[in-house]
Amino acid sequence: QKEVEQNSGPLSVPEGAIASLNCTYSDRGSQSFFWYRQYSGKSPELIMSIYSNGDKEDGRFTAQLNKASQYVSLLIRDSQPSDSATYLCVVSYNFGNEKLTFGTGTRLTIIP
Amino acid sequence: DTEVTQTPKHLVMGMTNKKSLKCEQHMGHRAMYWYKQKAKKPPELMFVYSYEKLSINESVPSRFSPECPNSSLLNLHLHALQPEDSALYLCASSRWTGETQYFGPGTRLLVL
Repeated sequence: QKEVEQNSGPLSVPEGAIASLNCTYSDRGSQSFFWYRQYSGKSPELIMSIYSNGDKEDGRFTAQLNKASQYVSLLIRDSQPSDSATYLCVVSYNFGNEKLTFGTGTRLTIIP
Repeated sequence: DTEVTQTPKHLVMGMTNKKSLKCEQHMGHRAMYWYKQKAKKPPELMFVYSYEKLSINESVPSRFSPECPNSSLLNLHLHALQPEDSALYLCASSRWTGETQYFGPGTRLLVL
C-alpha cells in the first residue's frame, strides 16, 4: 500500500515566522512530488512541484526533497494570515501512472 | 493559462433526479480526472480519461458515469444518488498522466 503521511495539525505559526510542513512517503519508486494549498470549501491550488533531490525556491516558498530519506517538506517564510489553509502533499509514483497519492493534509493557522 | 472550469458551482438534487456535471479545459491537456472530496479528507480519484481511454476506480458506484465528448470536455452523469454522495466534486487536468494536475473550482453537490 503506497502511503503519504503528513501531520494533520493544526499547526499554529506566528505571523512573520517560518512555517515548516513535512511529508513522508512509502514507495522509493516515487518520481514527482507536489504541494497543494486548499482553503476551506475551495479546490486545491498548486504551490510547488519538485522532482529531484535538493531545494526549490519560489518566492516565499521552498520545497525540499530527500529521496534517500523519503521525505519532502515545504517551508513558508514570512508567514501571512492568508497562508492559513490546509496543505496537501501529493506523490506520483511513476511517470505515466495516472494515480496521484494524496496525504491527508496539514492544517496551518497563521496567528496575527 | 492553467484554467479548468466546472459547472455548475452548486447543485442540489433529489435521489430520483438525473443531473450532469461539466468540466472543460483549453490547455491542450491529454488527461482529465474526476475526484470526490468529503469534508476534512483529501480528494479521492473517481475516473481518469487519458490517451482516449477511461480508467475507473472500481470502488465508484455505477450511479456515477463519466463521458468524454472530446479532449477538452469531461462530463460526470449522476443518477439515483444517495445522501452520502454529497461532497465537493473536483475536476482536474494534466498535460500527461503523472504530471502536475490543475484543479477546477469544484461543484458542491447536496443530495436530499
